[in-house]
Order: sequence, then C-alpha cells, then structure tokens
Amino acid sequence: AQTVTQSQPEMSVQEAETVTLSCTYDTSESDYYLFWYKQPPSRQMILVIRQEAYKQQNATENRFSVNFQKAAKSFSLKISDSQLGDAAMYFCAYRGNNDMRFGAGTRLTVKP
Amino acid sequence: KAGVTQTPRYLIKTRGQQVTLSCSPISGHRSVSWYQQTPGQGLQFLFEYFSETQRNKGNFPGRFSGRQFSNSRSEMNVSTLELGDSALYLCASSFWGPQETQYFGPGTRLLVL
Repeated sequence: AQTVTQSQPEMSVQEAETVTLSCTYDTSESDYYLFWYKQPPSRQMILVIRQEAYKQQNATENRFSVNFQKAAKSFSLKISDSQLGDAAMYFCAYRGNNDMRFGAGTRLTVKP
Repeated sequence: KAGVTQTPRYLIKTRGQQVTLSCSPISGHRSVSWYQQTPGQGLQFLFEYFSETQRNKGNFPGRFSGRQFSNSRSEMNVSTLELGDSALYLCASSFWGPQETQYFGPGTRLLVL
C-alpha cells in the first residue's frame, strides 16, 4: 500500500525567510502524481503545487517549489520569502491508480 | 465561477442514525471525490466518482456509500452512525480526476453524539 510520511509535525519560519517541508512516500507504482495542499484555519483546502512523476523537472509556482527525488521517493516543498498568509497546515498527497493518500500534515507558523 | 458547495455545513446526529451529505461541484467538472478528516486518522480518501460511476473507493466499511447524479452533483450517505464517524467531510471536484488540480469545498462538519 502507498504511504505518505511527513516527519515534521510543526515548523516555524521567520517572515521573508525560506522554509522546507519534508515528505516521503512509498509506492510500487511507476506512474503517479504528487501534491502539496495547504489548509489554513478556515479549513478550505487549496492546491499549492503538483508534480507528475514522469517529469524530471521540479515544479515551481511563484514562491513555492519542490525538490522531487523519484529514486529516493522524496518530495519536499520549499517556500521562499515566507509571508504571514503562508501560515497553515500543509499536506503532502499521493495519487496513484486507485486512490489519494495524504500525509499527517505539517503545521507551519510564520513569525513576523 | 462558483466554487464547490457542500450542504449542510454542520450536522449533529445520534448514534444509529443515518446521514446524507451533498456536494455540488464546479460547473463543468465531472469528477467528485470525498474525504474524511479527523484529528486521529487525518485525511482519508472515501470515494471517487466520474460521470455517475464510482471509479475508486477507500478502505471504509459498507456503511459509507455514495452516488453521483447526471449533473455531477454527488451525495454520500453514512448509515448506522458511530461516534467515530464524527469528522469533517470534504468534497473536491476536478474535470477528470484527483490527478489534476482538485478544488475543495468548505466541508461538512458532522458530530455524532
């Protein structure tokens, strides 16, 4: 079964600094998708970034970028120039053939 | 374009009752997925529907069921409610499936007493 592990329950970053959230996954599939979702206190889940496993190039969305290491089954999220609005729970997610699996989440605090 | 809507937003039920939750996807989206979020188990996948067909199902007991209508609206039903069913139930829609960008609704918070 595919599992998704986020080893950092909580992270803290100073405003304008950079922070990296870790995610590892386990799978026997070769074709899959990986995501980072953000859930602010309002509870509305929002997609931050998406990576297709067959693409070697790391996905980037403005201040958000990933480091996708397929062989290591690692998918970390880097947030540059952190803003107060980035404070939220961040979930790493895996989509294979049959379902979606989420990590336990990392609570990110941004200090002014 | 209107976002994903879920009704009701809050619900209180007692053990043994049944409940039906509704999800209206973004116009044009044909895929709807449901998720359960609890403090203990985190986010867990329930079902995925596409064009009225259930494509995938998560590891939940048969008390959890769902369906999708021809207008892509979806409902999920939980029968014989248990205390452990208390959760935030999230619905998400996309054009083709969860491999794409999914847009989530605000969720329905269910409390079972």
